[in-house]
Amino acid sequence: KQEVTQIPAALSVPEGENLVLNCSFTDSAIYNLQWFRQDPGKGLTSLLLIQSSQREQTSGRLNASLDKSSGRSTLYIAASQPGDSATYLCAVRGDNQGGKLIFGQGTELSVKP
Amino acid sequence: GAVVSQHPSRVICKSGTSVKIECRSLDFQATTMFWYRQFPKQSLMLMATSNEGSKATYEQGVEKDKFLINHASLTLSTLTVTSAHPEDSSFYICSASFPDKFLYNEQFFGPGTRLTVL
Repeated sequence: KQEVTQIPAALSVPEGENLVLNCSFTDSAIYNLQWFRQDPGKGLTSLLLIQSSQREQTSGRLNASLDKSSGRSTLYIAASQPGDSATYLCAVRGDNQGGKLIFGQGTELSVKP
Repeated sequence: GAVVSQHPSRVICKSGTSVKIECRSLDFQATTMFWYRQFPKQSLMLMATSNEGSKATYEQGVEKDKFLINHASLTLSTLTVTSAHPEDSSFYICSASFPDKFLYNEQFFGPGTRLTVL
């Protein structure tokens, strides 16, 4: 059974810092991995999607890497801003799970001005 | 990307009543829709997967008679919480996908519905 873990559960940093969020998964047989952002009381915003054959994806100040063999992914945020404050969730989709996503518990990020 | 809406965004009801939540794909036809539940400070847990025109597939531990899912058209799925109780209070989020249309069979998420049962 696939399990997804995110560390740390919460993170507080001063504005301008570069930071890394971690995601690990127990079953390396994944189809893809996705990072989402969730603001309080809101739905999910997709940030980056990495296929199992890819090593990383970049969008603006965000860079996500994937090491399928070790069951790990990182989300790197450069030059953090207060507007980056939110909960970040990673989710994996298995090869044979009909498209369903397994989510981690999330990392609650607070960027202080 | 694609747009998925949910209605209502927030609902408060009395214990024992039934509540219906709608999930619509606005600019594409969704062959598959997913319903998730999220408790405060916790992650999303998949409740069920629904394919248009067929019965929903429920995850282990989810009562199908309590959480009725209907996916009667390619743009609409509904979740009905029957005889709601305070422990059903949660944030319910749907997602939609159309495997042949979007690369990597990506899911697009709705904005969520906050259910509070008094």
